[in-house]
Amino acid sequence: QVTLQESGPPLVKPTQTLTLTCTISGFSLNTDGIYVGWIRQPPGKALEWLALIFWDDDKRYSPSLRSRLTITKDTSKNQVVLRMTNMHPVDSATYFCGTGYTLASPRVTKYDYWGQGTLVTVSS
Amino acid sequence: EIVLTQSPGTLSFSPGERATLSCRASQRLTSRYLAWYQQKPGQAPRLLIYGGSTRASGIPDRFSGSGSGTDFTLSISRLEPEDFAVYYCQQYGDSPQTFGQGTKLEIK
Repeated sequence: QVTLQESGPPLVKPTQTLTLTCTISGFSLNTDGIYVGWIRQPPGKALEWLALIFWDDDKRYSPSLRSRLTITKDTSKNQVVLRMTNMHPVDSATYFCGTGYTLASPRVTKYDYWGQGTLVTVSS
Repeated sequence: EIVLTQSPGTLSFSPGERATLSCRASQRLTSRYLAWYQQKPGQAPRLLIYGGSTRASGIPDRFSGSGSGTDFTLSISRLEPEDFAVYYCQQYGDSPQTFGQGTKLEIK
């Protein structure tokens, strides 16, 4: 059974850096074809894709947030970490991690499994 | 960046009716890499359809997807009470992947 669990601080101050962790069980991040992405959702609003990492460490970022995002993985812990710098109140949202599998070329990424999400509020 | 437009923002139906939801892309999708998700309050999205028309594992056959090019549709043949939720489309064949703004399906 595949499960994902997001963790991170519920509250960050403006200008601070947010660090979120997605802990995965049910498969290994080393498995060919696996990818994990981060998607956020401000309260009452739509989903917004942020970043993505593949099993071979290939990384993709949202162009509008690229300068503020870093995605990494720790295969020993089976975790994916997202860092977002210079947080603003507009970054307040529920942050989800999601995963799927692809060996297609070009790489295409839908999300078969999702974590429950973690709510982050940016406020002084 | 491909913009996905879902309109209208809210649709009202009665249980048992057929619902059709629209997702229009700002440019032709290079392939049928279009997915649909269902989201209920306080929950994560759930994948319903991928590849434009393939149902994800465990999804009832009352859900179906169709379309190509710039126009895609999610149909729910006989609405059950648990189907009233928000639905999002996602294109994942062109970079960056993008989501639509969602359509809320509410009970009439």
